[in-house]
Amino acid sequence: GAGVSQSPSNKVTEKGKDVELRCDPISGHTALYWYRQSLGQGLEFLIYFQGNSAPDKSGLPSDRFSAERTGGSVSTLTIQRTQQEDSAVYLCASSLAYGIIGHGYTFGSGTRLTVV
Amino acid sequence: DAKTTQPTSMDCAEGRAANLPCNHSTISGNEYVYWYRQIHSQGPQYIIHGLKNNETNEMASLIITEDRKSSTLILPHATLRDTAVYYCIVKDVSGTYKYIFGTGTRLKVLA
Repeated sequence: GAGVSQSPSNKVTEKGKDVELRCDPISGHTALYWYRQSLGQGLEFLIYFQGNSAPDKSGLPSDRFSAERTGGSVSTLTIQRTQQEDSAVYLCASSLAYGIIGHGYTFGSGTRLTVV
Repeated sequence: DAKTTQPTSMDCAEGRAANLPCNHSTISGNEYVYWYRQIHSQGPQYIIHGLKNNETNEMASLIITEDRKSSTLILPHATLRDTAVYYCIVKDVSGTYKYIFGTGTRLKVLA
């Protein structure tokens, strides 16, 4: 597609429920990243996928968070047993293969998650 | 990756040049300087990057000091739509791929 698409744009869920957030990267971008941005804060790295390599999950805050990327394209971020502190905007970005000089990320518009 | 320091906020009159500084005194020789901006309720947007030479594109100019310890992003004719948070990031292409976004500079363009 023309840009990085994320869905839903907004999600309100009850504490304890599971949620799935979807990211559809730019066609041909082999690298995909998830970040989280809490209100008034900077971006917090969560996870990185590059091609068929094992993902870097070092930024995931707890084992309630998981992500997968199927077929090297669409990615899903799953949060189990949501807590109020999970409320944030979840941003997905994609890029050409890491290491290619000059290529920045293209971010999606994010999913605003509110846990009530 | 080197750490950056930016002012918390700046104001700029519409139509004037906005000069946003960034200090990166611990930058190493193979680290690039990247600038992104985040307009309210949107994802960050790539603006420009450079290694040691000054760079210009359709959005902005990037001036990097000779010792590479600081840089300035210049928006030549700021408009109200340039009101955003601007992030300066230094990153080694061959090192970690994780951009470390600080709190950036909140630029407010005034009518």
